[in-house]
Amino acid sequence: DVKVTQSSRYLVKRTGEKVFLECVQDMDHENMFWYRQDPGLGLRLIYFSYDVKMKEKGDIPEGYSVSREKKERFSLILESASTNQTSMYLCASRGVLLFTYEQYFGPGTRLTVT
Amino acid sequence: AQSVTQPDIHITVSEGASLELRCNYSYGATPYLFWYVQSPGQGLQLLLKYFSGDTLVQGIKGFEAEFKRSQSSFNLRKPSVHWSDAAEYFCAVGAGSNFGNEKLTFGTGTRLTIIP
Repeated sequence: DVKVTQSSRYLVKRTGEKVFLECVQDMDHENMFWYRQDPGLGLRLIYFSYDVKMKEKGDIPEGYSVSREKKERFSLILESASTNQTSMYLCASRGVLLFTYEQYFGPGTRLTVT
Repeated sequence: AQSVTQPDIHITVSEGASLELRCNYSYGATPYLFWYVQSPGQGLQLLLKYFSGDTLVQGIKGFEAEFKRSQSSFNLRKPSVHWSDAAEYFCAVGAGSNFGNEKLTFGTGTRLTIIP
């Protein structure tokens, strides 16, 4: 089974802090994704990476950056956390094989910025 | 750009009753369609997917969905719900111009409550 793990289930940070959210997958997947989930808005794509050191902005990249130095790990960085970044963050991965477009999700990190 | 609409924010169903969750999509070509389920405090789990072929697809946990191109719909159904089906359900459409960069666009979700 594909396993996607996220470094923390719950995180509380202060406004202005630099925050790192880590995601690791164990299936040698090429693609990895970061989403944020808010009530009534569903999942919105922040950034994705289609291979090591490759990244592309999603729909809401402002205030975030990412890093992918190794294939299995994809980090989301909040350079200076703000209260409007309080949310559930979900990481996902996907292997690039014919007809396997589904994404596999981690359990999520609920981030609170105070 | 593709989009997904889930018109029902919250649905309440009695245990043992049938269920249909609605999903409408907008996409110019043949879409890749997915239903995911999220139990409280958990990540998303894939229920089923449609790529091509038979328009009625079977998934896990007794769920099925039917792709109707003429209605741009991909509704999720279950003949008899169980209390454990209480969760949030997301429909998603996949699109990408080049093989390997496919992204998913998600609907806003439908929360399902089961009453005894």
